Amino acid sequence: AQSVTQLGSHVSVSEGALVLLRCNYSSSVPPYLFWYVQYPNQGLQLLLKYTSAATLVKGINGFEAEFKKSETSFHLTKPSAHMSDAAEYFCAVSEGVSGSRLTFGEGTQLTVNP
Amino acid sequence: EAGVAQSPRYKIIEKRQSVAFWCNPISGHATLYWYQQILGQGPKLLIQFQNNGVVDDSQLPKDRFSAERLKGVDSTLKIQPAKLEDSAVYLCASSPTRLAGGSTDTQYFGPGTRLTVL
Repeated sequence: AQSVTQLGSHVSVSEGALVLLRCNYSSSVPPYLFWYVQYPNQGLQLLLKYTSAATLVKGINGFEAEFKKSETSFHLTKPSAHMSDAAEYFCAVSEGVSGSRLTFGEGTQLTVNP
Repeated sequence: EAGVAQSPRYKIIEKRQSVAFWCNPISGHATLYWYQQILGQGPKLLIQFQNNGVVDDSQLPKDRFSAERLKGVDSTLKIQPAKLEDSAVYLCASSPTRLAGGSTDTQYFGPGTRLTVL
């Protein structure tokens, strides 16, 4: 069985500040890990993914995440927040097998203050 | 490349009525997923198809939900009869297969159908 815990359902940062969204996972097999972003009334868009290659993964819009097996974490960061980053962010895990199901966390709503 | 298409975008029905949602995946994508996203929660997988066969429907409430993908392309999800707790966004996603090339582990999501049951 696999699960994802996102710490903090709401995160608020100032424009230009560091963004840190936390994700911890549980998986009985080596996982694939994903971060998706969801803007209001839209579907989910892939930000980045970890599939057992480099542990530091760079994604779109300046986001990156680091896979830490010892901490079972896959936190999402961005050095400088932009107003357009305001959205809901979901961490997800799959079992690393082609076509296996995604298990999502509860999501973190990011607010960016001017 | 066109994305995943879903219709309708919004639907309001009374409880005990029936409703159907349609999804057209990205061309060439063999795997299709239906997720339910309740307000304030992450998406939860309802059913997964590989071509026109069901791979995983363990979390589909089969007494009221059904889904089909008859020709291995587009898919329909039906709820009959609807309950108040079915109010949610229903997301369709697709992913390619190794034979088609590309990444097999990335799911591409449609815009969703927002269902309100009164």
